[in-house]
Amino acid sequence: VQLVESGGGLVQPGGSLRLSCAGSGFIFSSQWMSWVRQAPGKGLEWVANIRQDGSDTYYLGSVRGRFTISRDNAANSLYLQMNSLRAEDTAVYYCTRGEGAGDFWGRGTLVTVSS
Amino acid sequence: QAVLTQPSSLSASPGASASLTCTLRSGINVGPYLIYWYQQKPGSPPQYLLRYNSDSNKQQGSGVPSRFSGSKDTSANAGILLISGLQSEDEADYYCTVWHSGAWVFGGGTKLTVL
Repeated sequence: VQLVESGGGLVQPGGSLRLSCAGSGFIFSSQWMSWVRQAPGKGLEWVANIRQDGSDTYYLGSVRGRFTISRDNAANSLYLQMNSLRAEDTAVYYCTRGEGAGDFWGRGTLVTVSS
Repeated sequence: QAVLTQPSSLSASPGASASLTCTLRSGINVGPYLIYWYQQKPGSPPQYLLRYNSDSNKQQGSGVPSRFSGSKDTSANAGILLISGLQSEDEADYYCTVWHSGAWVFGGGTKLTVL
């Protein structure tokens, strides 16, 4: 099983970024998928998740309306479109698979929101 | 008040047992909740340990030693992660999470020191 995140980087406040997660070694289309973040030196914070077929999505209150989770099962990929980014969105973003907040996690991609 | 409260730190000796608590906010009954536990070591993504609702509804993560176990203390309104036969490699941060009001909510984490 592998989950590989990409797309992180430095962005100015108010800017946008799109994270991607490539899954392999499992049946991607059979699993709920999530994004969980961790600010530097802080604890875990769930961001969003999406049902196997993409028909249901759930969001952390502070990102609802700014972030959009999506998936492409044909490409075994998960995405997080992040708009109107704020300094408090600075974190490592983990892609996770399966039940709970994830029974398998990628290594994460760092998003830094700063001017 | 946070939905889930974990002690910020805990110390225990090698070979001893450690009981890590995850207390639900007053007014939220732990009874129906499925509680997930994660371990995170420095520089690594979290790893799924186990989930626990009751003795008939629990699951050990793949490859997780049986000395990690879950339970509930209904009198304390808390979930418990018990680690027996502590080893130096168990030194890590531990997080609990539950699905509450349409979101995965994490506790603040407990830093376990084995010394």
